[in-house]
Amino acid sequence: SYELTQPPSVSVSPGQTARVTCSGHALPKQYAYWYQQRPGQAPILLIFKDTERPSGIPERFSGSISGTTVTLTISGAQAEDEADYFCQTADSTGTYVVFGGGTKLTVL
Amino acid sequence: EVQLVQSGAEVKKPGESLKISCKASGYTFTSDWIAWVRQMPGKGLEWMGIMHPGDSDDIYSPSFQGHVTMSADNSITTAYLQWSSLKASDTAIYYCARRGSGHGFPFWGQGTTVTVSS
Repeated sequence: SYELTQPPSVSVSPGQTARVTCSGHALPKQYAYWYQQRPGQAPILLIFKDTERPSGIPERFSGSISGTTVTLTISGAQAEDEADYFCQTADSTGTYVVFGGGTKLTVL
Repeated sequence: EVQLVQSGAEVKKPGESLKISCKASGYTFTSDWIAWVRQMPGKGLEWMGIMHPGDSDDIYSPSFQGHVTMSADNSITTAYLQWSSLKASDTAIYYCARRGSGHGFPFWGQGTTVTVSS
């Protein structure tokens, strides 16, 4: 089965830049999406189609891609950004959706 | 405004059946795919499958094929996820999500907590 690999945790100081990576061999062929999930809440779409940001999402959130790795960058991390972050894509055929295992971002 | 409102929390015993719902509003229900996503306690998101209410086309994750059934009632713009025989390992939060362009999900329900315990 197809998998996306994320680091389990990332730490960042307030105001600094946090980067969360996600690796998968289908990523050059299929778009990646990023979600934020705070405790007890449903996921929120942060980035779609690798680099696009939905309306209402702060500009400090951005996405990029290099080869088989996509990266979510949070510029000037804030305490409210402490949450779990999940990447998501489809397999190379576009049939099945897959989520990464998630990364817990700590802002301290 | 697009809204997905899910049914309330459920407590069931192993072997029992269950059907949870996801009421959609604010868009044309039959025009977009709706997916179901599982989140076991303290764990990540797992895609269970997706269905299109317009033509009842569906795709199940191999991990969930045969254990759950997705359906929809277009007359009341509601999607369903059901089990015929629950297991303790089905204890989780279940989310419905409407697919946007591509394979992403910009709209999510609030989640339904299912607890299966003897």
